[in-house]
Amino acid sequence: SQQGEEDPQALSIQEGENATMNCSYKTSINNLQWYRQNSGRGLVHLILIRSNEREKHSGRLRVTLDTSKKSSSLLITASRAADTASYFCASSSGTYKYIFGTGTRLKVLA
Amino acid sequence: GAVVSQHPSWVICKSGTSVKIECRSLDFQATTMFWYRQFPKQSLMLMATSNEGSKATYEQGVEKDKFLINHASLTLSTLTVTSAHPEDSSFYICSASETVGNTIYFGEGSWLTVV
Repeated sequence: SQQGEEDPQALSIQEGENATMNCSYKTSINNLQWYRQNSGRGLVHLILIRSNEREKHSGRLRVTLDTSKKSSSLLITASRAADTASYFCASSSGTYKYIFGTGTRLKVLA
Repeated sequence: GAVVSQHPSWVICKSGTSVKIECRSLDFQATTMFWYRQFPKQSLMLMATSNEGSKATYEQGVEKDKFLINHASLTLSTLTVTSAHPEDSSFYICSASETVGNTIYFGEGSWLTVV
């Protein structure tokens, strides 16, 4: 399969806790992007991290990239019920073509 | 930020008919757009790359005669599902980027139900 792998497949946490999702990819990349998808909706862009970067922050989001392990992680701190969604990583080797991970379904309980 | 608009949001059609889905980049020009298909609770599968002014590039296993893609301008790509069957029912999403290596923006997706 061309898809990257994400784990866990599903994650359920209490509001206020942190949520960590991991993504692994198969080939060398130029950049990797994280997206959120609410049920039945399109994808919302969260963060883009390039291959020469190790960590990026955006509000309550922190993304890390380990190119030696071909993996990335997304950390959501102080989670809220509104963070309930599916999260996907998408990697590119430098072209327009992106390969998506299998996704993590996050449920934040109020 | 950049916006990609997709229309219609949902459509129901009868088996054997064709249905067209539009994808527009509203505030930037996109020489390349992408069409994905997503089954419930699954990830996005790239169907094809839509190239402005030339033929689309289809992924392995995607029937080019069934899923017709036209990228007539720098801001519009269309996906036509021809002779639709119930198994074509799915969520179709398009995406576009202004330049290679930059943020990819997605449309809101189109739910297709074939009855």
